[in-house]
Amino acid sequence: GAVVSQHPSRVICKSGTSVKIECRSLDFQATTMFWYRQFPKQSLMLMATSNEGSKATYEQGVEKDKFLINHASLTLSTLTVTSAHPEDSSFYICSAPDLTSGGYEQYFGPGTRLTVT
Amino acid sequence: SQKIEQNSEALNIQEGKTATLTCNYTNYSPAYLQWYRQDPGRGPVFLLLIRENEKEKRKERLKVTFDTTLKQSLFHITASQPADSATYLCALDRYGGSQGNLIFGKGTKLSVKP
Repeated sequence: GAVVSQHPSRVICKSGTSVKIECRSLDFQATTMFWYRQFPKQSLMLMATSNEGSKATYEQGVEKDKFLINHASLTLSTLTVTSAHPEDSSFYICSAPDLTSGGYEQYFGPGTRLTVT
Repeated sequence: SQKIEQNSEALNIQEGKTATLTCNYTNYSPAYLQWYRQDPGRGPVFLLLIRENEKEKRKERLKVTFDTTLKQSLFHITASQPADSATYLCALDRYGGSQGNLIFGKGTKLSVKP
């Protein structure tokens, strides 16, 4: 089946610094990828839709200047958390649809645990 | 606003029994509904998708039902095993047939005791 990878799996950074998270589709092309955030014991919340070659679409309440998304190729999307603060500490997960099955099934990456100190 | 509720935060059952998880939704008429499995510290893994015109779907020991009148889906795992212990999430497409813009429930944590 389709495989999505994320890097890094865990990152600890100091408050005020920026962190980049990569999401790659390993054996398929993804013109669209999705970025979610999950707080402990909470559901996954969609942050933004990443579109290859165009601007990302952000969900209501998500600051686009804080969470920069770049989808530079058909297999790579990056999420940069700028000027991170402790409240940005969360589990960030990306996904991509498997278009061979109609695009409704989402393949998720393993997630990135961000801790801001 | 659209809401998904998975009524049980946790479900504990004995190995070999059938686990039944519930997903209810309001203010919405989804074209399809999906179930995912999530292990601690990992991303969700797709299990099953059921469309609005399907009443039931099966895959090995898994069965999903979809009642659009009750606005409810039931997820069954028969002959449960300790390896089935995980959090199970239901998800709906937000805009009716869109590819990937999903709303997730909080999940039900299933524990299967040997």
